[in-house]
Amino acid sequence: NAGVTQTPKFQVLKTGQSMTLQCAQDMNHEYMSWYRQDPGMGLRLIHYSVGAGITDQGEVPNGYNVSRSTTEDFPLRLLSAAPSQTSVYFCASSYSVQGRPNTEAFFGQGTRLTVV
Amino acid sequence: AQSVTQLGSHVSVSEGALVLLRCNYSSSVPPYLFWYVQYPNQGLQLLLKYTSAATLVKGINGFEAEFKKSETSFHLTKPSAHMSDAAEYFCAVSEGTNFGNEKLTFGTGTRLTIIP
Repeated sequence: NAGVTQTPKFQVLKTGQSMTLQCAQDMNHEYMSWYRQDPGMGLRLIHYSVGAGITDQGEVPNGYNVSRSTTEDFPLRLLSAAPSQTSVYFCASSYSVQGRPNTEAFFGQGTRLTVV
Repeated sequence: AQSVTQLGSHVSVSEGALVLLRCNYSSSVPPYLFWYVQYPNQGLQLLLKYTSAATLVKGINGFEAEFKKSETSFHLTKPSAHMSDAAEYFCAVSEGTNFGNEKLTFGTGTRLTIIP
């Protein structure tokens, strides 16, 4: 029972490098989201998807791209890493009940990213 | 727009004492409210949720929360703290008037320390 799987768990990047954080879920959830967690700021929404082929921006989307080609996968791409993107990144998935999405979000274990 | 305020970024209680973590929300429509717990180096785990049914919600590990519309609050309580309760706790709100247009907004978190 894997749930939400994120890879890698840890990553160090140099400024200007690009990379993709992987997220996969095996619960057939419609909704998937990416958050970043920074000290004293809680979790902030980067991008989210309400289904395959549909994505939208959250609160802090700049510097990140996403795509959703399948229900299972929702990768997050850093185009040109900056020190300000040093953070812990969480992927989450959720389902709808009676037309209300996000009634419960399931989180991955996180990716700790350091940009030097 | 929805928002969440958690009063107290750090709370310390003695083992066996009452735990009270405060959460106030702002929402233009009836909200769904959640408490999540995060143990060190782990993802977030759902403690409990309010989805417009009973106003007193019971969760895992002996926690409960009461939805008070008049006070726009959703405080988390546990009658007797245990050492294993030491973690960071996040309150979150979900609202939305359009299907597929809902997002989860988190508070900044409260770190709970248990004193032996």
